Amino acid sequence: AQKITQTQPGMFVQEKEAVTLDCTYDTSDQSYGLFWYKQPSSGEMIFLIYQGSYDEQNATEGRYSLNFQKARKSANLVISASQLGDSAMYFCAMSPFYGNKLVFGAGTILRVKS
Amino acid sequence: DAGVTQSPTHLIKTRGQQVTLRCSPKSGHDTVSWYQQALGQGPQFIFQYYEEEERQRGNFPDRFSGHQFPNYSSELNVNALLLGDSALYLCASSFNLEAFFGQGTRLTVV
Repeated sequence: AQKITQTQPGMFVQEKEAVTLDCTYDTSDQSYGLFWYKQPSSGEMIFLIYQGSYDEQNATEGRYSLNFQKARKSANLVISASQLGDSAMYFCAMSPFYGNKLVFGAGTILRVKS
Repeated sequence: DAGVTQSPTHLIKTRGQQVTLRCSPKSGHDTVSWYQQALGQGPQFIFQYYEEEERQRGNFPDRFSGHQFPNYSSELNVNALLLGDSALYLCASSFNLEAFFGQGTRLTVV
């Protein structure tokens, strides 16, 4: 079975600073994908970034980067230059490589202060 | 190109009633998954449909059933509603590793 753990229920960050949201995972699968989603108060899940278990380079998408440490089974999200619009709930998730079933963590609420 | 659309956006039902939620996937996506998200929690996988058949199922009772149509759209049916079924129901459509979510249907059971 796969499991995602997000230990930070809530985080505050000053506008324009960087913030790291923690995610650890557990799986016996050799092939898997790791995802981060943003969920504003409207409810829609917005895809941010993806890392495959065989990818040697850390994934980056604009201001988002994923700090993937396979041996430690961690997949932390780094948001650079935080903006007020980044305030939302953030979920880490994983799926079997070809399964598409997503297992989510409990989420971290991020609040960006001006 | 329309993304994933879900209807209705909000719904109030009484205990014991039945409800049907609908999802239209993103163009080109052939797989539809349904998730239940209780307040303050992460989404939980209900089931997934591919080629009109249920391919995977999470730990949900048989009261939860679904269907996928030839145009890949999908329905989630919940029978004998319980207060604990109150949640945001999310539909995700996918192709290979991409998964895109709709805005969800917020179901309240009173």
